[in-house]
Amino acid sequence: SAVISQKPSRDICQRGTSLTIQCQVDSQVTMMFWYRQQPGQSLTLIATANQGSEATYESGFVIDKFPISRPNLTFSTLTVSNMSPEDSSIYLCSVVDRTGRAFFGQGTRLTVV
Amino acid sequence: AQTVTQSQPEMSVQEAETVTLSCTYDTSESDYYLFWYKQPPSRQMILVIRQEAYKQQNATENRFSVNFQKAAKSFSLKISDSQLGDAAMYFCAYRSARGSGGGADGLTFGKGTHLIIQP
Repeated sequence: SAVISQKPSRDICQRGTSLTIQCQVDSQVTMMFWYRQQPGQSLTLIATANQGSEATYESGFVIDKFPISRPNLTFSTLTVSNMSPEDSSIYLCSVVDRTGRAFFGQGTRLTVV
Repeated sequence: AQTVTQSQPEMSVQEAETVTLSCTYDTSESDYYLFWYKQPPSRQMILVIRQEAYKQQNATENRFSVNFQKAAKSFSLKISDSQLGDAAMYFCAYRSARGSGGGADGLTFGKGTHLIIQP
């Protein structure tokens, strides 16, 4: 199994500002995934981050709003840019191990005021 | 595109009893993974059980078992001897097995079932 450290665990931000969420994995992984969980909703995939290439974004998510970095095989960041109250959600990073199991970080609870 | 449907927004069960959570999915692929995740109020996503589509045998993990019906595209979770600590949101999820190491795709989640355990 993979151990994922995600931070911050929560934050309250002013609208118009940006927040960068960090995700550190205890082993090297090819793909890292970022999800959003809006209040009372399920998880939706934002993008897939592959080391050494640009992230692949799902429909409805764009790089200008959610830039992602993947500098090495154990680390990734997701930035939520120019935030509005609609961005208030839980953001989670995830990795998949060699057996196909997906593991998640603890999540970042973001509140935009 | 794949879809995952959980038709039970909320389920309630007495402690020590058995409960079954339903999940159906739609896909045109033949090789994939199915998962059940538990999310307690701490919001940590905890993997409960995993099923590989090519395996006919239903997966089991202690008190948790699945009924995987590939032709019917059904994947229900049975929790036996329910405990208070089982109270949480339960999400059914799908992932394609294509790509390098099977990890090329992210998960598609259902809307979740809120499980309540009555003492």
